[in-house]
Amino acid sequence: ILNVEQSPQSLHVQEGDSTNFTCSFPSSNFYALHWYRWETAKSPEALFVMTLNGDEKKKGRISATLNTKEGYSYLYIKGSQPEDSATYLCAFANSGYSTLTFGKGTMLLVSP
Amino acid sequence: DTGVSQNPRHKITKRGQNVTFRCDPISEHNRLYWYRQTLGQGPEFLTYFQNEAQLEKSRLLSDRFSAERPKGSFSTLEIQRTEQGDSAMYLCASSPRSGTPKQFFGPGTRLTVL
Repeated sequence: ILNVEQSPQSLHVQEGDSTNFTCSFPSSNFYALHWYRWETAKSPEALFVMTLNGDEKKKGRISATLNTKEGYSYLYIKGSQPEDSATYLCAFANSGYSTLTFGKGTMLLVSP
Repeated sequence: DTGVSQNPRHKITKRGQNVTFRCDPISEHNRLYWYRQTLGQGPEFLTYFQNEAQLEKSRLLSDRFSAERPKGSFSTLEIQRTEQGDSAMYLCASSPRSGTPKQFFGPGTRLTVL
């Protein structure tokens, strides 16, 4: 059974704060690590797909890093805005088009 | 809108009834996935289609669950004799034949079994 853990479970920050979340996953049989943002009543939105150890990806104020040898990824949000409020999910894949094993998510609330 | 669509968005049913959900993937995506999310958990894999072939099923998919993708386009997920434990968000995702392994999700169907 694959175990994907995310921390913290929830986070409440003020507008303008920077924040980061952690995702840990099995370091064996690794193919890809996916990050999703899921806003209430909307579809989960793919943020990043990361495959290479040491990979760093950026999309606006959001960035992510990957360490496959030790089995963790960080997601960073710089200068959080209320519209960043969502649940952030990471998911592990052990082959190119395999099913995803998700963590429980980190619920972020950004107050104005 | 060319994203993944799911219908209905919400379904309330009584225990013991049958329900069916539909997923329309992004056009020409040959891979289609069903996931289920219960309260406090991340989405959990249920089943996977490549074109019309159902290639993988989770142990979560009991005999009361059946999924089809008859022409390799839309898919249906049926739950027979629903139980209160079936209450969850049912998510569908699709991915293309080649290129990105990214899965594109629909908005989900929220099922409540009374």
